[in-house]
Amino acid sequence: EAQVTQNPRYLITVTGKKLTVTCSQNMNHEYMSWYRQDPGLGLRQIYYSMNVEVTDKGDVPEGYKVSRKEKRNFPLILESPSPNQTSLYFCASTRGENTEAFFGQGTRLTVV
Amino acid sequence: KQEVTQIPAALSVPEGENLVLNCSFTDSAIYNLQWFRQDPGKGLTSLLLIQSSQREQTSGRLNASLDKSSGRSTLYIAASQPGDSATYLCAVRPHSGNTPLVFGKGTRLSVIA
Repeated sequence: EAQVTQNPRYLITVTGKKLTVTCSQNMNHEYMSWYRQDPGLGLRQIYYSMNVEVTDKGDVPEGYKVSRKEKRNFPLILESPSPNQTSLYFCASTRGENTEAFFGQGTRLTVV
Repeated sequence: KQEVTQIPAALSVPEGENLVLNCSFTDSAIYNLQWFRQDPGKGLTSLLLIQSSQREQTSGRLNASLDKSSGRSTLYIAASQPGDSATYLCAVRPHSGNTPLVFGKGTRLSVIA
């Protein structure tokens, strides 16, 4: 089954403790991206990758890092999480610029 | 910068009604427009993808139209059911820049039995 898989689905952590949210897709898609969703603000792009070893900042990249060492994986790294990064995070992938986007089930992160 | 607006923000209808959700975007230079459904606290499920060269797409009781020149899209839901209750999101993929998708803030639909 074609899918985008995120882990974990839920995470509660403390301020400053490094964490990684994993994202994997099994569709051999070139493009992957991370979004965060907040009430009243909608979905905003954090980072974007057009291919292996190619990443670009989105609208809200501060406090986040990503890597794309393999085509199928695109982890999101929070080196020193803060409470304002409490949010619902989504990973997405597409085959190309003009194709359908597929989203993971989301990771609800709470930073206390 | 591309902006996407969805009106209304919330909508409540009785079961069986046909309804229309609206989406507008400010820059017509897009590759495509995609409609998603999101259940509370869950992921996004793709409903329909309309390429910039297309006028409409249909899937079951759903029909999405695109008028690129006027920057508008509509999602028509026929014979609504309580199971259609969810938030519906519209997103466009711009030609310019590296932003893959620009989202509207969604329309929260409640279908009352």
